Amino acid sequence: GEDVEQSLFLSVREGDSSVINCTYTDSSSTYLYWYKQEPGAGLQLLTYIFSNMDMKQDQRLTVLLNKKDKHLSLRIADTQTGDSAIYFCAESYSGGGADGLTFGKGTHLIIQP
Amino acid sequence: DSGVTQTPKHLITATGQRVTLRCSPRSGDLSVYWYQQSLDQGLQFLIQYYNGEERAKGNILERFSAQQFPDLHSELNLSSLELGDSALYFCASKTSGLYEQYFGPGTRLTVT
Repeated sequence: GEDVEQSLFLSVREGDSSVINCTYTDSSSTYLYWYKQEPGAGLQLLTYIFSNMDMKQDQRLTVLLNKKDKHLSLRIADTQTGDSAIYFCAESYSGGGADGLTFGKGTHLIIQP
Repeated sequence: DSGVTQTPKHLITATGQRVTLRCSPRSGDLSVYWYQQSLDQGLQFLIQYYNGEERAKGNILERFSAQQFPDLHSELNLSSLELGDSALYFCASKTSGLYEQYFGPGTRLTVT
């Protein structure tokens, strides 16, 4: 079955880069997503990548996809205190228009001053 | 603000009861999704509707049901509630032909 795995915690110093990793098992995944959830808030879509891409950059965010190893990463450059949140990796398989997302458990990003 | 609205924001009810959660998708979005977020299970996909028709089912219990109305809003009905149904319930919507799902703020359900 489908499974998305993430480490639970990542601690970085303010100003450093954060790299959040994710592995998935479904080789038929079409799109891979990164969502951010701040305390008491909903899910904010940060970025997504199509499975035939290797990399996508959007301002401070860089997504890398290694399809062979089924490994996805999100790099946040110059991490700020406002980046403190839970980051979820998710995958979808767009077959027949049925594309509910499968999420990982989320990585808590902790920023040290 | 994603443009997806959900009501109510909080709901407290007793075991055995039935509740209805409501979602209004972003203007023009035909696809609506329901997700449950709990400490035990994490974020789980429940069900998807497209233009009034059920499109896909995930880990939705038989006690739960949903529908999407002609004005495209959706309701998630939870019945015979158990303590374990306490969770955050999110609705998301998506524009046809695009790939981003936008989430509402969620409804926090507490079953006592």
